[in-house]
Amino acid sequence: RKEVEQDPGPFNVPEGATVAFNCTYSNSASQSFFWYRQDCRKEPKLLMSVYSSGNEDGRFTAQLNRASQYISLLIRDSKLSDSATYLCVVGSSGGSYIPTFGRGTSLIVHP
Amino acid sequence: DAGVIQSPRHEVTEMGQEVTLRCKPISGHDYLFWYRQTMMRGLELLIYFNNNVPIDDSGMPEDRFSAKMPNASFSTLKIQPSEPRDSAVYFCASSFVGSLETQYFGPGTRLLVL
Repeated sequence: RKEVEQDPGPFNVPEGATVAFNCTYSNSASQSFFWYRQDCRKEPKLLMSVYSSGNEDGRFTAQLNRASQYISLLIRDSKLSDSATYLCVVGSSGGSYIPTFGRGTSLIVHP
Repeated sequence: DAGVIQSPRHEVTEMGQEVTLRCKPISGHDYLFWYRQTMMRGLELLIYFNNNVPIDDSGMPEDRFSAKMPNASFSTLKIQPSEPRDSAVYFCASSFVGSLETQYFGPGTRLLVL
């Protein structure tokens, strides 16, 4: 089983739609969780951290479910500019920090 | 701030040649990461440094790969000899201990080994 798994998609949605991605992780000792965004032929950029209590940033909401070992990203009122690949990142702790990236979920928002 | 700087941005070489990728992290950042990204395997961590010291190189594929960080503002990733399966995008990223999880990526080096 891979450490961090994501549905590669693509998720094809119309403008204005709400879309949600999940990401599962295998290491129950994982301590930190993030979503990164990667545009085509660009570098990944941090989108948001994921806190135990959940967090929201504008149209984006991230949630953590430790019991089921998954994190989610919800995008409301999708924009064309949201089209990108969304990478889930899980970090371990205790000793050396080793961030593990998921393969990413591709989102295509069409007019 | 100029962000993380990588060079070259593109590299085309022939199998068996030596390839050297370069990275300048953001000033003040004390962690530096080298990643490789391919369609098949996604983004893989190759090695990371803390205060110029290699901490974990378990992701380095084999002895043909080596990385150095002679000072806080410069790192290299070398492949010798290169093989076609090394073709990928190589990213360098940096972060600082106060916000270790926030990694700033460079634009990447697109490597094609013929």
